Amino acid sequence: GQQLNQSPQSMFIQEGEDVSMNCTSSSIFNTWLWYKQDPGEGPVLLIALYKAGELTSNGRLTAQFGITRKDSFLNISASIPSDVGIYFCAGGMNRDDKIIFGKGTRLHILP
Amino acid sequence: EPEVTQTPSHQVTQMGQEVILRCVPISNHLYFYWYRQILGQKVEFLVSFYNNEISEKSEIFDDQFSVERPDGSNFTLKIRSTKLEDSAMYFCASRVRLAVDNEQFFGPGTRLTVL
Repeated sequence: GQQLNQSPQSMFIQEGEDVSMNCTSSSIFNTWLWYKQDPGEGPVLLIALYKAGELTSNGRLTAQFGITRKDSFLNISASIPSDVGIYFCAGGMNRDDKIIFGKGTRLHILP
Repeated sequence: EPEVTQTPSHQVTQMGQEVILRCVPISNHLYFYWYRQILGQKVEFLVSFYNNEISEKSEIFDDQFSVERPDGSNFTLKIRSTKLEDSAMYFCASRVRLAVDNEQFFGPGTRLTVL
């Protein structure tokens, strides 16, 4: 089945640092989504990408849809304590389809 | 801002018992989903539902699972005879059918514990 490989699995950074994480797949996706999940809560949509090569920003977050349609990255600039959580990439094949989640990147921010 | 709501937030049940998890999707959304997340693992698709019927289901969604939209607002997931391995967070999600996107909005989840 379709699988998304997300890396790194976890990150420890200092407050104020920039963060980069990515997601790759052996399959082509038509949609890439990035979600953040806080403990005990549901995933919250951060950024949605629909075209190969598309670069989209949401505040301090920037994400890109890879040209090959098999990868995506998420950057967070100038990290702050509330950025702590698990970031999931998710891919969709069709507009109506289910989305497939990666295993997540757990972000820790050191004081 | 409208949001997906789910009840209960936590359900504890004995193995073999039936459970019903409830969701109220965002009011103008027409596509509904259930996902589950076993502790510490990724979110997995269970089923999608549109126009009062299942659109797609995963191999996890076997005969023990069913979904229903009993009225204009609720969307339920029933597990007929729970197993220990059904213990997980269950998330409901919804999206606007007519939009050209695939932005699914998730509820806060129901934590199901099967003893």
